[in-house]
Amino acid sequence: EPEVTQTPSHQVTQMGQEVILRCVPISNHLYFYWYRQILGQKVEFLVSFYNNEISEKSEIFDDQFSVERPDGSNFTLKIRSTKLEDSAMYFCASSEWDRVDTGELFFGEGSRLTVL
Amino acid sequence: AQSVTQLGSHVSVSEGALVLLRCNYSSSVPPYLFWYVQYPNQGLQLLLKYTSAATLVKGINGFEAEFKKSETSFHLTKPSAHMSDAAEYFCAVTRTGRRALTFGSGTRLQVQP
Repeated sequence: EPEVTQTPSHQVTQMGQEVILRCVPISNHLYFYWYRQILGQKVEFLVSFYNNEISEKSEIFDDQFSVERPDGSNFTLKIRSTKLEDSAMYFCASSEWDRVDTGELFFGEGSRLTVL
Repeated sequence: AQSVTQLGSHVSVSEGALVLLRCNYSSSVPPYLFWYVQYPNQGLQLLLKYTSAATLVKGINGFEAEFKKSETSFHLTKPSAHMSDAAEYFCAVTRTGRRALTFGSGTRLQVQP
């Protein structure tokens, strides 16, 4: 069964360092997303991406964050200068269709980021 | 703005008992509503969704949910709990034209033998 894969599963970094989280979406999917979940809090939307452009983003997704599809298979989330409050589980998701009422979001297992 | 509230961060039931996980939504426009399940060390998986068709929605693993506009609710039920149902369950809402899902805080379901 096709699945979304994320690497690394866990990353520990020092405050101020750059981090790149990687995702391989399902191969025929065109719409990509990042969500995050701070421990004990809700899953929060960060950004959606289609056709090499951000299609929607939340207020969390500030200038410290960027996304990229560097090749035909990977989708990355970069945090330029990590803060303690960036510690969270980051989920990548992909879908075949743009409309959530017709297309299911498929989530990866998550990348846990710990900022010290 | 849209939001969902899940009542009860932890629910414990006996195997074979009814499962009822509560979700109330707030939305000024017709909502699309979802239930996702997260098993340990796995990503979120769609259980079922309401997108303005039938108000009683059936999902995977014997779960169903009923959209009640008058009560602004979308509670998740299963007639008979199984040990394998132990997981965290998330209610989520969005609306037409949006791509972002707004999630609730989740309910952890424990199933006792």
